[in-house]
Amino acid sequence: GAGVSQSPSNKVTEKGKDVELRCDPISGHTALYWYRQSLGQGLEFLIYFQGNSAPDKSGLPSDRFSAERTGGSVSTLTIQRTQQEDSAVYLCASSPRLAGVQRSADTQYFGPGTRLTVL
Amino acid sequence: AQSVTQLDSHVSVSEGTPVLLRCNYSSSYSPSLFWYVQHPNKGLQLLLKYTSAATLVKGINGFEAEFKKSETSFHLTKPSAHMSDAAEYFCVVSRNSGYSTLTFGKGTMLLVSP
Repeated sequence: GAGVSQSPSNKVTEKGKDVELRCDPISGHTALYWYRQSLGQGLEFLIYFQGNSAPDKSGLPSDRFSAERTGGSVSTLTIQRTQQEDSAVYLCASSPRLAGVQRSADTQYFGPGTRLTVL
Repeated sequence: AQSVTQLDSHVSVSEGTPVLLRCNYSSSYSPSLFWYVQHPNKGLQLLLKYTSAATLVKGINGFEAEFKKSETSFHLTKPSAHMSDAAEYFCVVSRNSGYSTLTFGKGTMLLVSP
């Protein structure tokens, strides 16, 4: 079946411009996550959406970063006034919410990522 | 709080020899543990997952990992390396219940020579 898809695959932008990155989760998955992968910091959690609950934004590095998820499906990560340190690969993941009492962490399925380069 | 330490940034093996990628974790609660693999310019792929059932977990492509609580370790092994195993491997810890953010190790690059 179709996996998590992300677009664009590559984005080059100039410092100070805004960018939007898109994520299409696996159909039926109710949880969606954004991560950032950079050389200096490794893989870092950014934000999490689950159904209609308020998102967990605890990983967003600054107020220039925001994300929304429309209709419980597609998500857009927006970075305003981009800086060179924002250059990284931005990864999206989704997971199903299993019924009943869960005694293990959800398995997250990752998309191929968007490579962002800020000049 | 939780953290992961991957003890080697790079591991080099010859094709056909065993692979050992080391991982130690720290967690305030009962953890779920994962190994993910990332091939060049590809997304992360789940290799295997430990969820407090059997301590020896078998994954895809012949990989397995053993959860050792006393050593707080979750090392990844494979009896015989293949050229296609060359990739970066991430050990990951999460809280052992439903939703929890993943905490990634820094990654180990596996190099396989003919």
